[in-house]
Amino acid sequence: AQTVTQSQPEMSVQEAETVTLSCTYDTSESNYYLFWYKQPPSRQMILVIRQEAYKQQNATENRFSVNFQKAAKSFSLKISDSQLGDTAMYFCAFAGNKLVFGAGTILRVKS
Amino acid sequence: DTEVTQTPKHLVMGMTNKKSLKCEQHMGHRAMYWYKQKAKKPPELMFVYSYEKLSINESVPSRFSPECPNSSLLNLHLHALQPEDSALYLCASSLIPGGRAFHEQYFGPGTRLTVT
Repeated sequence: AQTVTQSQPEMSVQEAETVTLSCTYDTSESNYYLFWYKQPPSRQMILVIRQEAYKQQNATENRFSVNFQKAAKSFSLKISDSQLGDTAMYFCAFAGNKLVFGAGTILRVKS
Repeated sequence: DTEVTQTPKHLVMGMTNKKSLKCEQHMGHRAMYWYKQKAKKPPELMFVYSYEKLSINESVPSRFSPECPNSSLLNLHLHALQPEDSALYLCASSLIPGGRAFHEQYFGPGTRLTVT
């Protein structure tokens, strides 16, 4: 069975600084997707970034980028130039034959 | 349009009531999902519909009854719920069912359900 581990329950960062959220997963599948979802206090879950396992190049979406280490089964999210609007719960998710979420990391951006 | 809508936003119901939650998307997605989410926890998958047919039921109690009348609409009928069923109920959709049914899901804002 697939598992997803987010080892940081809560993090905080100063506005304009960079923060990295960690995620590790366990699977025997070779073809899968990984996602980071953001859920702000208003509760709408938003897809932040996706990574396809067969692609070696790390995905980037504006200020959001990932460090995908397939052999290590690691998928961290880097947020550059943090903004107050980045305050949210962040979920790492693995999509193989089913979608498995990590426990989440609460990120607080401070002014 | 990458929008999934859900109604109502909030719902309070007694344990003997019958109510329904509604979810709609017009993105042409053929997989739709119901999740239950408790505060500060990840969503828990309840049901998956692929091409309007129920493909996954994650051992959900029968007091929750899903329905998919067409490719754009998903309902969740509620009956004789318990207080522990109080939660945020999220609907999601994705483009490609089958082996990659869980690829890139788009979520609605959710219905906050309180069972009294």
